[in-house]
Amino acid sequence: EIVLTQSPATLSLSPGERATLSCRASQSVSNFLAWHQQKPGQAPRLLISDASKRASGIPARFSGSGSGTDFTLTISSLEPEDFAVYYCQQWITWPLTFGGGTKVEI
Amino acid sequence: QVQLQESGPGLVKPSETLSLTCAVSGFSISSGYFWGWVRQAPGKGLEWIGNMLHSGTTNYNPSLKSRVTISIDTSKNQFSLKLSSVTAADTAVYYCERGRNMDVWGKGTTVTVSS
Repeated sequence: EIVLTQSPATLSLSPGERATLSCRASQSVSNFLAWHQQKPGQAPRLLISDASKRASGIPARFSGSGSGTDFTLTISSLEPEDFAVYYCQQWITWPLTFGGGTKVEI
Repeated sequence: QVQLQESGPGLVKPSETLSLTCAVSGFSISSGYFWGWVRQAPGKGLEWIGNMLHSGTTNYNPSLKSRVTISIDTSKNQFSLKLSSVTAADTAVYYCERGRNMDVWGKGTTVTVSS
């Protein structure tokens, strides 16, 4: 199975700062990579699909980049509601797998 | 607007079968997409359980494959999860979702395995 490794595990930042989250795949997933955001007590929600395409209703401050094995989620200027856990997920092959998550905290 | 809603018992006894249903509104299951399940143990990350294509093809996580069955009922526009021989390790929040990239999620339902 494809293993996704996210770093860092925790990112401590302040509102207004830029957040850069990394996801590395154990083998190429081309651009079949998604990013999901999960706030405490809530279900995950899709932010980015196909490595760089924002899902419907997602603000422009969220952007994704990368292909193959190395991917980045960037939040250009953190808003208070962005403090959450972010998971990358590959969907090029079965089983579908998630990274371990990056917690963005204040 | 597509919405998914999980339902089922919140408490299951060890060795029994966990059964959950996901009701879909705003979209016809017969129109396409994979329909699947993801779980999250307390304080842990996300684990994909499996999914089913509207036409009947299924895919399961190898770690759970021997115990999992996913089925679709197009007449009720819903799909279901059965997980047999549960143990405390199966205690989790169970989410239903749509698509390989999981573009729509249900709110989740908590299942506790305990006698």
